Amino acid sequence: EVQLLESGGGLVQPGGSLRLSCAASAFTFSNYAVTWVRQAPGKGLEWVSAISGSGGSTYYADSVKGRFTISRDNSKKTVYLQMNSLRAEDTAVYYCAKGVISSGYNYFDYWGQGTLVTVSS
Amino acid sequence: DIQMTQSPSTLSASVGDRVTITCRASQSISTWLAWYQQKPGKAPKLLIYAASNLESGVPSRFSGSGSGTEFTLTISSLQPDDFATYYCQQYNSYMTFGQGTKVEI
Repeated sequence: EVQLLESGGGLVQPGGSLRLSCAASAFTFSNYAVTWVRQAPGKGLEWVSAISGSGGSTYYADSVKGRFTISRDNSKKTVYLQMNSLRAEDTAVYYCAKGVISSGYNYFDYWGQGTLVTVSS
Repeated sequence: DIQMTQSPSTLSASVGDRVTITCRASQSISTWLAWYQQKPGKAPKLLIYAASNLESGVPSRFSGSGSGTEFTLTISSLQPDDFATYYCQQYNSYMTFGQGTKVEI
């Protein structure tokens, strides 16, 4: 069964950094893009960032461009989201999700359970 | 950037009702559209992809239609398990979600 497991969330002060991880299992990891989607408390879904199966292509929402960096280690079947210069408005549950193709723009067929990031002093 | 607008934001319905949710794109996205269902505290679940294709395991009471800029998600006979929030998502250019439609009693 395909599984995605996020970790690394927590409480961080404004201006701080955090690295999220998404560990995958039960599919050929390098064949599929992976994305991060977040959901602020009581709000809707917001696409954040995506990375192609090879890791050669990355995509970012304008709201995080220049502050967040997505990467992957296919040998570890893990995708990372390095979040710097965090703001209160970055507070959300962060989900990773598996795309249906290796590159480009995707929809998402499997999702993790999410990890909560709280940015507050 | 492509903006996605759903209507209504909230929908009150009863078991057995036929329910339709609309999603409009700010520019043409062909049929590069997916629909998801989300229940409180849970991750979204894929229902429909490519505007009208039912994801494996999703009940046939769910259907999607549309192309270009206007799309609909229809639930033919609302079941108790269907009370949730529904999101559309375009994947024509980057990825964008609609703001969601909450289906409640």
